[in-house]
Amino acid sequence: QKEVEQDPGPLSVPEGAIVSLNCTYSNSAFQYFMWYRQYSRKGPELLMYTYSSGNKEDGRFTAQVDKSSKYISLFIRDSQPSDSATYLCAMSKTGANNLFFGTGTRLTVIP
Amino acid sequence: DVKVTQSSRYLVKRTGEKVFLECVQDMDHENMFWYRQDPGLGLRLIYFSYDVKMKEKGDIPEGYSVSREKKERFSLILESASTNQTSMYLCASSSRIGGNIQYFGAGTRLSVL
Repeated sequence: QKEVEQDPGPLSVPEGAIVSLNCTYSNSAFQYFMWYRQYSRKGPELLMYTYSSGNKEDGRFTAQVDKSSKYISLFIRDSQPSDSATYLCAMSKTGANNLFFGTGTRLTVIP
Repeated sequence: DVKVTQSSRYLVKRTGEKVFLECVQDMDHENMFWYRQDPGLGLRLIYFSYDVKMKEKGDIPEGYSVSREKKERFSLILESASTNQTSMYLCASSSRIGGNIQYFGAGTRLSVL
């Protein structure tokens, strides 16, 4: 079993929709949770990160962590065609050198 | 803003050539990483370094070596390139403090013919 599981999609939504992207994990020692956005043929760009449980909001993006369920989510409100990309979740333990990545979910927002 | 710069966006090399991929970061980060990314396989760690002249093998180090002579620079070396090393190569850096939040470069798309 992989340490981090992410549905690869693809996911297609109309412009303006609310998008929910999710990852599950198996290691309860993970404390840092990240979301990256990767446009085609580019490197991953850090979108948001959270420490431990709870929510974090940044503009149209909200990251949510539920440690009891070992489940993290990224919500995108009022989705735009420019949000079309692959979204990667990643997580790590305190003091660790390794990041554990999901395989990414490809999102297309249709105008 | 954190900046991680990879020397080339696209490279085409022949089988058997020695290939150098260079990466420079400007955030004084202790940790630097090399990944490859292939469709359906996600990001796979090749090597990482937590200090100058230090290196650790990742998940797929075979066929690769690395060099870190200065804190800001981390090089990936393909001693004898093979076609199965055609891939997207990504460099990242992170601070030793906190949760290893990594910042990536734009990537180098390497084709080995």
